[in-house]
Amino acid sequence: EAQVTQNPRYLITVTGKKLTVTCSQNMNHEYMSWYRQDPGLGLRQIYYSMNVEVTDKGDVPEGYKVSRKEKRNFPLILESPSPNQTSLYFCASSSGQGVEKLFFGSGTQLSVL
Amino acid sequence: SQQGEEDPQALSIQEGENATMNCSYKTSINNLQWYRQNSGRGLVHLILIRSNEREKHSGRLRVTLDTSKKSSSLLITASRAADTASYFCATDNTGTASKLTFGTGTRLQVTL
Repeated sequence: EAQVTQNPRYLITVTGKKLTVTCSQNMNHEYMSWYRQDPGLGLRQIYYSMNVEVTDKGDVPEGYKVSRKEKRNFPLILESPSPNQTSLYFCASSSGQGVEKLFFGSGTQLSVL
Repeated sequence: SQQGEEDPQALSIQEGENATMNCSYKTSINNLQWYRQNSGRGLVHLILIRSNEREKHSGRLRVTLDTSKKSSSLLITASRAADTASYFCATDNTGTASKLTFGTGTRLQVTL
């Protein structure tokens, strides 16, 4: 089944404790992206990747890192999480030329205490 | 920054009625897409309309695009309880196909 898989689904952590949210897609998509969703603010792009070893900042990249060493994986790293990074996070991928028809993962609800 | 603004923010209708949601945006676009999100879950792509298209259909969905007014509408005909969800418009306006900018969504409630 074609899908984007994020893990974990829920995560509670404390300020400053490094964490990684994994994202994997099995559709051989070149484009992958991370979004965060907050009430009243909609979805905002954190980082995106147009291909392996190619990553770039979105609208809200501060406090986040990503890597794209393999085509299928695009992990999101929070080196020192802070409470304002409490949010619902989504990974998405797309085939072809960039952002046409994004496929989304099921989301990761992160709480930073 | 947000590009799309959906209207209304919330909509409640009865099963069988039509639901219309509107989206306005600020800058020129390459395409506009509509997505659906069931509570807290991942978004699902519904339909894409390109800047040179004016109307598109997919099953019970009808999307229109008016680039002169920078607006789009999503019509769901003969709504069902299972259509209850949030609906988002998203625009590709970078010219590089690198980013979709989402609106804040319309929450649709369809009651029996």
